Amino acid sequence: EDKVVQSPLSLVVHEGDTVTLNCSYEVTNFRSLLWYKQEKKAPTFLFMLTSSGIEKKSGRLSSILDKKELSSILNITATQTGDSAIYLCAVPRSLPGAGSYQLTFGKGTKLSVIP
Amino acid sequence: GAVVSQHPSRVICKSGTSVKIECRSLDFQATTMFWYRQFPKQSLMLMATSNEGSKATYEQGVEKDKFLINHASLTLSTLTVTSAHPEDSSFYICSASSIRGGGRSNQPQHFGDGTRLSIL
Repeated sequence: EDKVVQSPLSLVVHEGDTVTLNCSYEVTNFRSLLWYKQEKKAPTFLFMLTSSGIEKKSGRLSSILDKKELSSILNITATQTGDSAIYLCAVPRSLPGAGSYQLTFGKGTKLSVIP
Repeated sequence: GAVVSQHPSRVICKSGTSVKIECRSLDFQATTMFWYRQFPKQSLMLMATSNEGSKATYEQGVEKDKFLINHASLTLSTLTVTSAHPEDSSFYICSASSIRGGGRSNQPQHFGDGTRLSIL
């Protein structure tokens, strides 16, 4: 059974701080790792990582995968109150037949950014 | 516009009522749709995988007679919570997985906005 573990479970920082969120995984047939941001509604896709050591960047957010350590980190620099959310890590598992994927989610990291 | 539309976004009803939630893929064909449930301060838990034209596959501990799933077309799956009780109150989210060549290739699943169900 695939397993995804995120740490810390919650984090409170001040605006302007830099944060690092962690995700480790145990999966058979690893394909990729995904990061999502969830506010009040459903998760919003952030990144999909497939190759080790290659950083993906979007504004103040960046993420990198380490296949040797079976882990990934999500960095947020110069945090803002709008970054307050639950950040979810997930790994897909391919389903037989249709070419679709089932996601296994970690418990998430709840980030609170205070002014 | 939204890739996956989920309706309704909010339901408040009395105990014993059955509630139907719809999940539609708007601009791609989804052979597989997924239904998740999320309790407060918890992560998304997969309830079932819905395949077009066949029976859904339920995760362990999810009652198939309680949570009826119908995936009648490549763009629509429905989840019906039958005879809902207060303990069924939760946030229900659907997602759709596109067949090869459809949808956004960088995302294995596209999520609806979720349905917040409150049973009084």
